[in-house]
Amino acid sequence: GQQLNQSPQSMFIQEGEDVSMNCTSSSIFNTWLWYKQEPGEGPVLLIALYKAGELTSNGRLTAQFGITRKDSFLNISASIPSDVGIYFCAGRASYDKVIFGPGTSLSVIP
Amino acid sequence: SQTIHQWPATLVQPVGSPLSLECTVEGTSNPNLYWYRQAAGRGLQLLFYSVGIGQISSEVPQNLSASRPQDRQFILSSKKLLLSDSGFYLCAWSVPGYGYTFGSGTRLTVV
Repeated sequence: GQQLNQSPQSMFIQEGEDVSMNCTSSSIFNTWLWYKQEPGEGPVLLIALYKAGELTSNGRLTAQFGITRKDSFLNISASIPSDVGIYFCAGRASYDKVIFGPGTSLSVIP
Repeated sequence: SQTIHQWPATLVQPVGSPLSLECTVEGTSNPNLYWYRQAAGRGLQLLFYSVGIGQISSEVPQNLSASRPQDRQFILSSKKLLLSDSGFYLCAWSVPGYGYTFGSGTRLTVV
């Protein structure tokens, strides 16, 4: 079935550093989504991408929809402690269903 | 605006007991509704989804069932819980073709 791979699996960075994570698939997706989950909470949508090549920003976050439609990346600039959490990518597999990646765990050291 | 409510927030149940988790959505009509389980804080596993009242699709064989008795209500149930049913259960809704909005989750511990 369709699967997403995320890398890295986990990251430990110093406050102020930039972060880059990516998501790849062997399948083509028409929509890419990036979510952040904080402990004990449900994931929250950060950025949605609807077109191949699209580059979208949300504050310090920037995400791109890969031109092959099989990958996406998320960058976080000038990280702060509240960026801590698990970041999930997701691809829309069909009209009704979204497939989630396994997540990248981000820790920020003050 | 649309909101999603999920309860209870935490639940401790003995093995063999029944389960009922409820999710309701406000501010939208005919949403797609989803139940996910997350183990050990990683990986979202889709359990069930529904595109309308009484329409349930199951993604994985398991000890759980789902029902959608009303347009904006989605219920996750079990007749007899197993230890392996422990986890973080998330309800989500979407307008077809767009991203998901998740509830705040239910932490279930089966003892």
